[in-house]
Amino acid sequence: EAQLVESGGGLVRPGGSLRLSCGASGFSMTTYAMTWVRQAPGRGLEWVANIKQDGSEKYYVDSVEGRFTISRDNARKSVYLQMNSLRAEDTAVYYCARILGVYTIDAFDIWGQGTTVTVSS
Amino acid sequence: IVMTQSPLSLSVIPGEPASISCRSSQSLLQNTGHTQLVWFLQRPGQSPQLLIYLGSNRASGVPDRFSGSGSGTDFTLKISRVEAEDVGIYYCMQALQTPITFGQGTRLDFK
Repeated sequence: EAQLVESGGGLVRPGGSLRLSCGASGFSMTTYAMTWVRQAPGRGLEWVANIKQDGSEKYYVDSVEGRFTISRDNARKSVYLQMNSLRAEDTAVYYCARILGVYTIDAFDIWGQGTTVTVSS
Repeated sequence: IVMTQSPLSLSVIPGEPASISCRSSQSLLQNTGHTQLVWFLQRPGQSPQLLIYLGSNRASGVPDRFSGSGSGTDFTLKISRVEAEDVGIYYCMQALQTPITFGQGTRLDFK
């Protein structure tokens, strides 16, 4: 069974950094692009970043561009989100998800359980 | 691309049908001929779950009472007979271009 498990969330002060991890099991990670999506408390879903199967291309929502970096280690079956210069508005549950589709994004078909990031002094 | 859902809240009687609309600010037709529109359900306290992709394709394990339709900029998710496990928030999402964007969500509950 394909599964994703996020970790690395926690409480951090404004301006601080955090690195989220997402471990994959039950499928070959090299075949799939991956994504991070977040959900602020009581709010809807917001796409954060994508990374291609081989890590050659990365895309970000404007609000995190230059502060967040998505990366992956296919040998370790993991995807990461390095978050720097964190702001209160980055407070959210962060989900990683698998992207269905080879040359296009057809869906996010497998989601992790999420990890909570709280940015507060 | 701005995604607009309606209604934002929906109260239904169990066993009755339900319908949610999603409109995009530009066409979601890919040059492959596919429509890059996705539907998710987020049950209370859970992660989002894929329901429909490419506008009308049900994901694996999704009951056939769920159906997606539409083209261009106007899309609909229909539930033929709402059941208890269908309660939650429904989101549409466009996957045509980055930034990928979601609708505001439609909360479905029982009357």
